[in-house]
Amino acid sequence: DVKVTQSSRYLVKRTGEKVFLECVQDMDHENMFWYRQDPGLGLRLIYFSYDVKMKEKGDIPEGYSVSREKKERFSLILESASTNQTSMYLCASSPHNTEAFFGQGTRLTVV
Amino acid sequence: QKEVEQDPGPLSVPEGAIVSLNCTYSNSAFQYFMWYRQYSRKGPELLMYTYSSGNKEDGRFTAQVDKSSKYISLFIRDSQPSDSATYLCAMSGDTGRRALTFGSGTRLQVQP
Repeated sequence: DVKVTQSSRYLVKRTGEKVFLECVQDMDHENMFWYRQDPGLGLRLIYFSYDVKMKEKGDIPEGYSVSREKKERFSLILESASTNQTSMYLCASSPHNTEAFFGQGTRLTVV
Repeated sequence: QKEVEQDPGPLSVPEGAIVSLNCTYSNSAFQYFMWYRQYSRKGPELLMYTYSSGNKEDGRFTAQVDKSSKYISLFIRDSQPSDSATYLCAMSGDTGRRALTFGSGTRLQVQP
């Protein structure tokens, strides 16, 4: 079974803090993704990566950056957390342009 | 207009009913179609995956794709209370962006 593991289920951070969300997949997938999910807005793509050190902006990249130094690991960085970044963050991986497998999600609260 | 449209519901049905969930889309380049199930406060779980047009059956679940109408469906037979969740459709193509495009999800409640 594909396993995508996110480092935290719940996080509480203060405004202005730098926040790191980590994601690891164990299936040697090329593509990895970060989404955020908010009520009424669905899943929105923040960034994705199709290879080590490669990244592309998604639909809402502002205020975020990413890092992919190893194929199995994809990190999302909130440079200076703000309250409007309170959300459910979902990491996913996929072998091609096809089905994606998700982690369990990180519920981030910025106070 | 969104690229993928999905009725948010909620859809409430009695246990044992047949459930029909649907999405429409506008991008004719989409070739891969997926349905995900998401329980509250959990990540989406892949339920069904279909390539191009046609039907696919897996137990109580059937996925249908009609590319000519740009319309996909998920049918759940003999629905159970444990099927209560949000169902998300997703799709992608061979060209263009590698990420999936999602519908906003339909919340389903199966009443015992």
